[in-house]
Amino acid sequence: TQLLEQSPQFLSIQEGENLTVYCNSSSVFSSLQWYRQEPGEGPVLLVTVVTGGEVKKLKRLTFQFGDARKDSSLHITAAQPGDTGLYLCAGDVNNRLAFGKGNQVVVIP
Amino acid sequence: DAGITQSPRHKVTETGTPVTLRCHQTENHRYMYWYRQDPGHGLRLIHYSYGVKDTDKGEVSDGYSVSRSKTEDFLLTLESATSSQTSVYFCAISESNPGAGGNQPQHFGDGTRLSIL
Repeated sequence: TQLLEQSPQFLSIQEGENLTVYCNSSSVFSSLQWYRQEPGEGPVLLVTVVTGGEVKKLKRLTFQFGDARKDSSLHITAAQPGDTGLYLCAGDVNNRLAFGKGNQVVVIP
Repeated sequence: DAGITQSPRHKVTETGTPVTLRCHQTENHRYMYWYRQDPGHGLRLIHYSYGVKDTDKGEVSDGYSVSRSKTEDFLLTLESATSSQTSVYFCAISESNPGAGGNQPQHFGDGTRLSIL
């Protein structure tokens, strides 16, 4: 059973469009992290959210932590080809990080 | 970028042979981790270390062992490789344990692609 469910698994959009991906769980987390992974590389941390209802912005990326601290979303405004990658969410579980399977995003020029 | 070096970057070997992957860090971080990443499964924790000679199992530890004799090096060994261990292996480091509710990130290496024929 996957602790963190990410949806959609794959998303392909045109440059300039907006998109939202989701990370859901039935568990409560102290914090959630979002990473982006590009082909042939390891994941790189984008943001950590720690407070229920928190919204963090990183340029065109907006991250939200659910009020109940069980889920999170990532919204990208005016997507660029450089946003292409695998987006991974991770939450603290039993003293370690558990990762979702990821949202594969492809932005077509 | 965090100073993490994984070696080798690619390896092809045969079933039944021993394999050791090395992770070297220059950040003096206390925590080190080994993950495997497979299609349909995502990133799964194999083993982790919280200090020199201090290690613990992750969710997919069967068939793997680890050692950490120095702060900077964390070795992952497959005693007798099987085809099911074909995967991309990532090493990660962190100053403190983000799994304990902290805000510290994990910094990842670029991975080792291991193929077992």
